[in-house]
Amino acid sequence: DGGITQSPKYLFRKEGQNVTLSCEQNLNHDAMYWYRQDPGQGLRLIYYSQIVNDFQKGDIAEGYSVSREKKESFPLTVTSAQKNPTAFYLCASRWVHGYTFGSGTRLTVV
Amino acid sequence: AQSVTQPDIHITVSEGASLELRCNYSYGATPYLFWYVQSPGQGLQLLLKYFSGDTLVQGIKGFEAEFKRSQSSFNLRKPSVHWSDAAEYFCALSTDSWGKFQFGAGTQVVVTP
Repeated sequence: DGGITQSPKYLFRKEGQNVTLSCEQNLNHDAMYWYRQDPGQGLRLIYYSQIVNDFQKGDIAEGYSVSREKKESFPLTVTSAQKNPTAFYLCASRWVHGYTFGSGTRLTVV
Repeated sequence: AQSVTQPDIHITVSEGASLELRCNYSYGATPYLFWYVQSPGQGLQLLLKYFSGDTLVQGIKGFEAEFKRSQSSFNLRKPSVHWSDAAEYFCALSTDSWGKFQFGAGTQVVVTP
C-alpha cells in the first residue's frame, strides 16, 4: 500500500546534538511538508518542498534544515540551534485531494 | 493573508448526541477546505474536503460539513457520536489545489458515556 513512513516513532536527543527525522513516501507526490505540533498550537509549518532539489522555509524554520535529493525522501534535521525541539513532528505529502500524513515522530530532549 | 479559526478548543459530548465543530476562515476568494481527525500520537486522517459545487459535503465515519460563503464558515457535523470519535479535529484551508495548508488550532472532542 502507498503511504508515508516516518521513522523513528520516538527519538531522544541530548542537548547540543543534531538529529535527523526520516520521511519516505511511495505515493509519487511532488510536494512534501514538515510540520511541528505542540499542545494547543495546532500545526506549524517548518519547511516544504514542491520539487526535487528545491525547498522553502515555512513559518518556524529557524534551527531546522532539510534536503530533497530524491522525490521519495524529505529528511528533517533538528540542529542544536533549535532551543526547544521537544515536540511531535509530522511529515506530509500533497496531492490534488489534500495532504497525506505520516504517523509522526515524537522528539524529546533529555 | 489567509487564516483559519476554530473557536472551540475543547468540546465534551455524550455518546449518541449530535456534534458540531465550528470552523471560520479568512480569504478573499473561495478556498479549498478540509477537515482532518487525529487520534493521540498518530498522524492526521482526511475526513472530507470542499473544492466547489454542492455546499454540503459528505465524508467518512458519518461526518458531513457545510460550506457557507456568507458566513465564511465550514462547520463539521455528526448526527450521533460514538466513543471512537473522541479525537482532535483540525480544519484546514488551501488557496489552490496544490498549495500548502493553513491549519486551525484544533478542537479536542471528548465523548462521555
